Amino acid sequence: AQRVTQPEKLLSVFKGAPVELKCNYSYSGSPELFWYVQYSRQRLQLLLRHISRESIKGFTADLNKGETSFHLKKPFAQEEDSAMYYCALYTGGGNKLTFGTGTQLKVEL
Amino acid sequence: DAGVTQSPTHLIKTRGQQVTLRCSPKSGHDTVSWYQQALGQGPQFIFQYYEEEERQRGNFPDRFSGHQFPNYSSELNVNALLLGDSALYLCASSLFAQGAFLAGANVLTFGAGSRLTVL
Repeated sequence: AQRVTQPEKLLSVFKGAPVELKCNYSYSGSPELFWYVQYSRQRLQLLLRHISRESIKGFTADLNKGETSFHLKKPFAQEEDSAMYYCALYTGGGNKLTFGTGTQLKVEL
Repeated sequence: DAGVTQSPTHLIKTRGQQVTLRCSPKSGHDTVSWYQQALGQGPQFIFQYYEEEERQRGNFPDRFSGHQFPNYSSELNVNALLLGDSALYLCASSLFAQGAFLAGANVLTFGAGSRLTVL
């Protein structure tokens, strides 16, 4: 069965420091990976998806099939990046996503 | 476009009661999925509706049922409520994807959720 693991419940970094939010998945086929973000008092929303190979708000994520990872990275953290981040896996057949438990990112001044 | 709208926003029920939650999808979307998010957890897939039929179901008991209407809106019904059903229930709309990686598909637009408390 597919599974998404986000090992850190809370990640605290200083403003301007690099950020890496870890995500590992378990799936033997060709996955599609997403990062969703939830800012305080806002809805869960898509941040980026691996097939788009884009950078959103300075964040990037590379799918590493060998390590089954999809870590989210940003070179310089900003205060407005403080939020809850969820990694999600799509394995085909309908629109079911499997979410990780989320990582709370706190950017301190 | 108001996006995905859900009602009610909060509700309190007692064990054994039944609850109905409602969802209107984003304009242009034809698929509605429901997720349960318990405190401190990520969203867990309950089921998905497309063309008024349940297309996929997660690991939830039959007490959880749903419906989709011709206008694509949807309801989630939970019978015989348990304390453990207390959670945020999220509705998400999207375009139906028959296969993988269709452009614009598999991207979920979430509602603000309905917070259910079972006493």
